[in-house]
This record gives sequence, C-alpha cells and structure tokens, in this order.
Amino acid sequence: DAGVIQSPRHEVTEMGQEVTLRCKPISGHNSLFWYRQTMMRGLELLIYFNNNVPIDDSGMPEDRFSAKMPNASFSTLKIQPSEPRDSAVYFCASSRDSGEKLFFGSGTQLSVL
Amino acid sequence: GESVGLHLPTLSVQEGDNSIINCAYSNSASDYFIWYKQESGKGPQFIIDIRSNMDKRQGQRVTVLLNKTVKHLSLQIAATQPGDSAVYFCAEANFNKFYFGSGTKLNVKP
Repeated sequence: DAGVIQSPRHEVTEMGQEVTLRCKPISGHNSLFWYRQTMMRGLELLIYFNNNVPIDDSGMPEDRFSAKMPNASFSTLKIQPSEPRDSAVYFCASSRDSGEKLFFGSGTQLSVL
Repeated sequence: GESVGLHLPTLSVQEGDNSIINCAYSNSASDYFIWYKQESGKGPQFIIDIRSNMDKRQGQRVTVLLNKTVKHLSLQIAATQPGDSAVYFCAEANFNKFYFGSGTKLNVKP
C-alpha cells in the first residue's frame, strides 16, 4: 500500500501568490482530513471530508483557504492569496471510515516569503 | 508583540530503560484515543489506540493506559531504543474529529 501521498513536499512562494496542495488518500478510505502544524499552535484540524463531502470546515482559518475533494482519490487545499503567516507544514490524513485511526502523509512544507 | 512557540516537554532516557509519556486530554466525552510518533521531517505515525471502554491495551513493546476519571492517558515503551527518539502525540476523538496534544519529545541516550 502506497499510503497517503502528498505533493509537493516543499513549496516556496511569495506573498500574494496562490498555493495548491494535493493529497491522494489511501485507496478505500472514506474520510480525509487536512491538518496544519506549526511550532506555535501544534497540529490543527482545518477540514475533514467523509465520502467526498466536507463535513466540518470550522478549522479553516479564513476565506483565503478552501478545500475540495472532487473524487475519492484526490483532494486539494488552496490558499489564495497566501501570506507569510500561512507558513507551516500541511498534512493530509485519511481513515477507513469516520472515527477510525488516521494515516498521515509526509506533509507539504510551505514557506511564504 | 513577541510570539511564543510551543515549548515541547522533553523526556530523556537511557537506551534499554522504560519510558513513560503522559498526556492530559480535555474532553470527557472523547471515546477513542491514539498515540502517534512523529520523526523529524515525517508525518505522524500510528503507534497504538484505545477505546474508552478499556483502561489498558498492549502492543509490541508499548502499552497505553487510560484513566477516564482524571482524563489522563499514558504511553509506556519498554526497553527504549535509539529508534524510538521522536515526538509523541496523543490524540482524542470526539464526533469523528481528532484533536492532538502538543507533544512530548523523547530523547534516547545510547
């Protein structure tokens, strides 16, 4: 099993640019989560999907952030426009079903200059 | 103002000793708990889980203890090895959402 696959591994961009992070969950998993990790705030849940439907996006910091899951094997997290304070590691995780253990990808290290 | 980052508590143990990492969770309604290990540059990796109807669960070299009365979770690692050096997070599940603690750094001295 390939595990959760995220791309890119690293992203460096300038303030104001659009950033798109990508995630492929484990095949057969019905739930997908986006987390952000910073030294200041630790691991924060941004949004989660169940069966491709967004269930809870209360963790999304502001309207500059959006997430989609057009099908069971792909999700994107978009930041538009990006700001330096968005610099963090963004993790995608999937689980077989709601409430089951999460499997994490390797993360995307985002630096906004 | 000055920003303050999370100061991770650090546990230093000698190789071969047992390690105990503690976690206080916040929500008495949480019914599922997981310990994760995160190595530098990697995503959190599942170690062991426990449901709220249990107070102890054992895996290979690891044991999780749950005390619901005081909302406390602990991870015991037997015969700690250098490869166990990492940051360990507890996570609690509530309404299918997982909330993570701030983590403990385990440093294994050879």
